[in-house]
Amino acid sequence: SAVISQKPSRDICQRGTSLTIQCQVDSQVTMMFWYRQQPGQSLTLIATANQGSEATYESGFVIDKFPISRPNLTFSTLTVSNMSPEDSSIYLCSVVLSEAGELFFGEGSRLTVL
Amino acid sequence: GQNIDQPTEMTATEGAIVQINCTYQTSGFNGLFWYQQHAGEAPTFLSYNVLDGLEEKGRFSSFLSRSKGYSYLLLKELQMKDSASYLCAVRDSNYQLIWGAGTKLIIKP
Repeated sequence: SAVISQKPSRDICQRGTSLTIQCQVDSQVTMMFWYRQQPGQSLTLIATANQGSEATYESGFVIDKFPISRPNLTFSTLTVSNMSPEDSSIYLCSVVLSEAGELFFGEGSRLTVL
Repeated sequence: GQNIDQPTEMTATEGAIVQINCTYQTSGFNGLFWYQQHAGEAPTFLSYNVLDGLEEKGRFSSFLSRSKGYSYLLLKELQMKDSASYLCAVRDSNYQLIWGAGTKLIIKP
């Protein structure tokens, strides 16, 4: 399995500000996935980040709110823009590393918006 | 719509056996995954089933019946460290992962 590093691991942010989360994988992967997990809930896919093309967003998520970059096959960023308390959540990046297709996750970034 | 059902919470005793059930209704089926998630941590992969039957991996086993839209995760010889949430996820015909809400397992001494 690969090492997937996310930072920051946690942050406390003020309403109206933006925060960029970084995800670094120690091997090249085609697709990287960004998930949100709100307190006590399961995982919700935000978008799929493909190298060299625009990210594909799921219903309910838009690029203006969650811009994503994918400059190469080992790195991606997710920005949470104009944050509100409802954005308080754990944000997780994940990748597929085997033919079976199981996801491997980064450690997560826990954001609290005041 | 697509739906995955798991019990919200279960309690078991250290050293015992527990079975966590998952039923699903999805648009097609391309595999079922179980993940473990300790509080405050990211999910970690436990098992993958794509064919009917039982997959055993140490103290953990996972079963699948595609005709019934049903899976279970069996944990044997429970240890305190097994206290966690267990997430069931199904990959549909579009290769999208549909996630259950997770089952919080509480292990008591």
